[in-house]
Amino acid sequence: ETGVTQSPTHLIKTRGQQVTLRCSSQSGHNTVSWYQQALGQGPQFIFQYYREEENGRGNFPPRFSGLQFPNYSSELNVNALELDDSALYLCASSDQIYEQFFGPGTRLTVL
Amino acid sequence: QKEVEQDPGPLSVPEGAIVSLNCTYSNSAFQYFMWYRQYSRKGPELLMYTYSSGNKEDGRFTAQVDKSSKYISLFIRDSQPSDSATYLCAMSSHNAGNMLTFGGGTRLMVKP
Repeated sequence: ETGVTQSPTHLIKTRGQQVTLRCSSQSGHNTVSWYQQALGQGPQFIFQYYREEENGRGNFPPRFSGLQFPNYSSELNVNALELDDSALYLCASSDQIYEQFFGPGTRLTVL
Repeated sequence: QKEVEQDPGPLSVPEGAIVSLNCTYSNSAFQYFMWYRQYSRKGPELLMYTYSSGNKEDGRFTAQVDKSSKYISLFIRDSQPSDSATYLCAMSSHNAGNMLTFGGGTRLMVKP
């Protein structure tokens, strides 16, 4: 069984740029969620995809968008990057509410 | 006020001690309660989950949920230096899909 993988590991961007983060879900999981974790804080829910449709969104602006593909892998896109977008971005896959498996995360630094 | 509150620590204990980690919450709709462990610069790892109230034990770990007090706990017995990490509580409700609401995390240091 393959775990959740994310790419890239680290990324440095400048303010105003756009970024795409990628996630491969665990085998058999059809739900992918994305979280933002600022330094020293707990993860905050961005949105969730189930069978290629967004079916839940946290308190994040529309410049945070995503996709899920037929193989259940997913992308997170962030437009017009701001300094406060610097964080660890986590992807989690699941088929049960209580059993979400997280990837190692992508650390984004916005300068 | 945040929906889920967690003492940030750091909590420093000697090896072999019993550790108690706690979270309080305000949303009475929460039914699923999880504890995650996160090592530095890694993704969270699911340790335990509990549905509704009660206790659950797994090896050195015991999770407790008291819904009447809106209070959950994680106990670690015979703590080891390898337990040094940040511990995150997370919660969800039936109508929230797979959305988890996390506490801010408690940093634990177990000294040899």
